[in-house]
Amino acid sequence: DTEVTQTPKHLVMGMTNKKSLKCEQHMGHRAMYWYKQKAKKPPELMFVYSYEKLSINESVPSRFSPECPNSSLLNLHLHALQPEDSALYLCASSQDGGAHPLGYTFGSGTRLTVV
Amino acid sequence: RKEVEQDPGPFNVPEGATVAFNCTYSNSASQSFFWYRQDCRKEPKLLMSVYSSGNEDGRFTAQLNRASQYISLLIRDSKLSDSATYLCVVNGKVKLSFGAGTTVTVRA
Repeated sequence: DTEVTQTPKHLVMGMTNKKSLKCEQHMGHRAMYWYKQKAKKPPELMFVYSYEKLSINESVPSRFSPECPNSSLLNLHLHALQPEDSALYLCASSQDGGAHPLGYTFGSGTRLTVV
Repeated sequence: RKEVEQDPGPFNVPEGATVAFNCTYSNSASQSFFWYRQDCRKEPKLLMSVYSSGNEDGRFTAQLNRASQYISLLIRDSKLSDSATYLCVVNGKVKLSFGAGTTVTVRA
């Protein structure tokens, strides 16, 4: 299994809603990542989990809350989002954190629209 | 200065042509280098890693020049299916840095 699976693929939520994005990998990777990508821009790193511990938070607003229940799962909890948070949210994993020669494997993303 | 810079293009080339483009990076301590391909509204997918001695994968050739801090990608015999945005990705100590991407459009 060489995939990173993200659910849901599409999500529309109101500014007062609470929702969660889910990411799962079964490659035995020990580092997992959340990225945000706006149209025609490169992915922007949000969070890094390494060995199930949060190792990087790129000054992301608290309305985004990551969670890593175990080494295969990564969640992103969303609350009180703004329309400008609408974007493609990508999960990725790698064998371990840092400069890994095999790069990252990305999930297909969740396309989020905040109304 | 951005960590990774790319010519955004677009590069519009006919089928069968050769197209090449570069990417520069600012961190001389960078260890790993990659080209990712991203189709419209899809996730980035690893195209190839870039090794110090240069490497080839079919019609794709990647080169690394550490002295001048750039990497390059050359596509030979372009196919319509090569139309995509190519992201230059450099791995620093703790995270990947992405270039903004180079758009390639191959026309029939």
